[in-house]
Amino acid sequence: SQKIEQNSEALNIQEGKTATLTCNYTNYSPAYLQWYRQDPGRGPVFLLLIRENEKEKRKERLKVTFDTTLKQSLFHITASQPADSATYLCALDISYGNKLVFGAGTILRVKS
Amino acid sequence: DTAVSQTPKYLVTQMGNDKSIKCEQNLGHDTMYWYKQDSKKFLKIMFSYNNKELIINETVPNRFSPKSPDKAHLNLHINSLELGDSAVYFCASSLGTGDEKLFFGSGTQLSVL
Repeated sequence: SQKIEQNSEALNIQEGKTATLTCNYTNYSPAYLQWYRQDPGRGPVFLLLIRENEKEKRKERLKVTFDTTLKQSLFHITASQPADSATYLCALDISYGNKLVFGAGTILRVKS
Repeated sequence: DTAVSQTPKYLVTQMGNDKSIKCEQNLGHDTMYWYKQDSKKFLKIMFSYNNKELIINETVPNRFSPKSPDKAHLNLHINSLELGDSAVYFCASSLGTGDEKLFFGSGTQLSVL
């Protein structure tokens, strides 16, 4: 069956450290993968998009990798801050721009 | 100005009632969506419209009927509400040209009693 799995447990890290979140998928062949941030009571906000032919993408303190052989994406936040605390969702495009399938998200808590 | 706005923010109603959620985007996007987020936080697509035409209709009960009067609006009407319909419903939009990021509204928390 098709699945998208993210760290089911919340990730607690100390301010200043690098947070690494994982997104694994099975039985999908996505053309690209996206990461979103969701705060309580709010809608998801787009962060980064990485295509199947790209290995790595960076934006400020954010870095995403995409390994289509391992069927995995890693999302890194360097020099993390308490304001980075949120739920992070990965999403696979499975219909060339028409349909995103989301993982359940990982809760990140950054403590000062 | 809010890019994607949906109303109401909260909706509490009795089983069997009919209700609507409205969504508007001012981004000039061609494609709009409805997603449902259940208690386990999974976001699942329900419908997508491109320029007022239905593109995706997931296995959603017929009680759910989207309506797009123009490409800036996508409303969701739900008939005969059931307890299992309780969830957060998100409207979203995208440019609609492929590999597009989604812009989400702030969600409508529907509670069916």
